[in-house]
Amino acid sequence: DVKVTQSSRYLVKRTGEKVFLECVQDMDHENMFWYRQDPGLGLRLIYFSYDVKMKEKGDIPEGYSVSREKKERFSLILESASTNQTSMYLCASRTGVSYGYTFGSGTRLTVV
Amino acid sequence: AQKITQTQPGMFVQEKEAVTLDCTYDTSDPSYGLFWYKQPSSGEMIFLIYQGSYDQQNATEGRYSLNFQKARKSANLVISASQLGDSAMYFCAMREDSGSARQLTFGSGTQLTVLP
Repeated sequence: DVKVTQSSRYLVKRTGEKVFLECVQDMDHENMFWYRQDPGLGLRLIYFSYDVKMKEKGDIPEGYSVSREKKERFSLILESASTNQTSMYLCASRTGVSYGYTFGSGTRLTVV
Repeated sequence: AQKITQTQPGMFVQEKEAVTLDCTYDTSDPSYGLFWYKQPSSGEMIFLIYQGSYDQQNATEGRYSLNFQKARKSANLVISASQLGDSAMYFCAMREDSGSARQLTFGSGTQLTVLP
């Protein structure tokens, strides 16, 4: 089975901290995605990557950046965490030739 | 305009009954795919069913079926013979094939509660 692993299940960070959320997939998937999930809003796309070092903004990129130096790893970076970034963050990956998307188990981030 | 609309924030159904979760979508892309995911309280996203825009027949997977009405741009999920374990959040999502990475766009979700 394809696995997408998010390094932390729960995180608590202070306002202004730089935060790294890590996502690793083990099936050589080309496309990787970061979403945030908020009640009543569903999942909203922050950034995605369709190849190593390639990234594109999603619908809500403000306050975030990403890094994809290796194919298996896609990192989401909060340069200066703010309380409105308290949310559930979900990583997903997909091969370029299938409709199969695999999601990680999510990171619940609280910024205090 | 919202690309995916789920108008039912919460739904209740009696165990063993069937339930329909509504989803409408908006796209000008002739090639697209529609998905339903289940998210239990544990948070994992579980893929349920997929329908391609060119598929002639409605998709079915066990107790799940997708009622695809292309002209109305609707893709409702039907769960037959509901079970207590079906209680979860359900998301409808769309992939448009003109995009570079073919990302999924999600609706706001429907919280389904199955009553004993």
